[in-house]
Amino acid sequence: QKEVEQNSGPLSVPEGAIASLNCTYSDRGSQSFFWYRQYSGKSPELIMSIYSNGDKEDGRFTAQLNKASQYVSLLIRDSQPSDSATYLCAVNPTFNKFYFGSGTKLNVKP
Amino acid sequence: DGGITQSPKYLFRKEGQNVTLSCEQNLNHDAMYWYRQDPGQGLRLIYYSQIVNDFQKGDIAEGYSVSREKKESFPLTVTSAQKNPTAFYLCASSMFGPGGNTDTQYFGPGTRLTVL
Repeated sequence: QKEVEQNSGPLSVPEGAIASLNCTYSDRGSQSFFWYRQYSGKSPELIMSIYSNGDKEDGRFTAQLNKASQYVSLLIRDSQPSDSATYLCAVNPTFNKFYFGSGTKLNVKP
Repeated sequence: DGGITQSPKYLFRKEGQNVTLSCEQNLNHDAMYWYRQDPGQGLRLIYYSQIVNDFQKGDIAEGYSVSREKKESFPLTVTSAQKNPTAFYLCASSMFGPGGNTDTQYFGPGTRLTVL
């Protein structure tokens, strides 16, 4: 079992719709969770971090964390073509250990 | 501007050559990391360092070596022992958070290595 699992996609949504990206993790003791966006040929850039159960909102982005279900999600409201990228989920289960999912490719169609 | 720089952006290596990838940060971060990314795959940890003159192997350290002589610098050498080195190499750094755990990782722009 992989430490972090994501559906590889591609996930296609029309412009203006809500995109929902999901991630599950295996280490129940994990405390820190991150979403990164990676455009083709570029390095990952941080979108959001979340540490507590519930929702965290930042502009059009909402991260949701459910530690009991070992589940993290990212919602993108009013999706734009510029949101088309691969989204990486990362989990920090212990000191200095980060595990990354293989990413979900999002296509936002104009 | 604070950030992480990597050089070169593109690197071509002949069979049997060692090459060194540069990573520098001016964020005053304690921890630094090297990852490898292959097409369509996630990031795999090569080496990481928490403090100067100390580093630990990650999941795929064979064929790679690192040094941490300065807080700002964490170069990666890809040796001839690495049989399939063609990949995108990413350097990252992070601070220690309030609980002593490492906090958010920030990435450099990456180096794309191709073996000829």
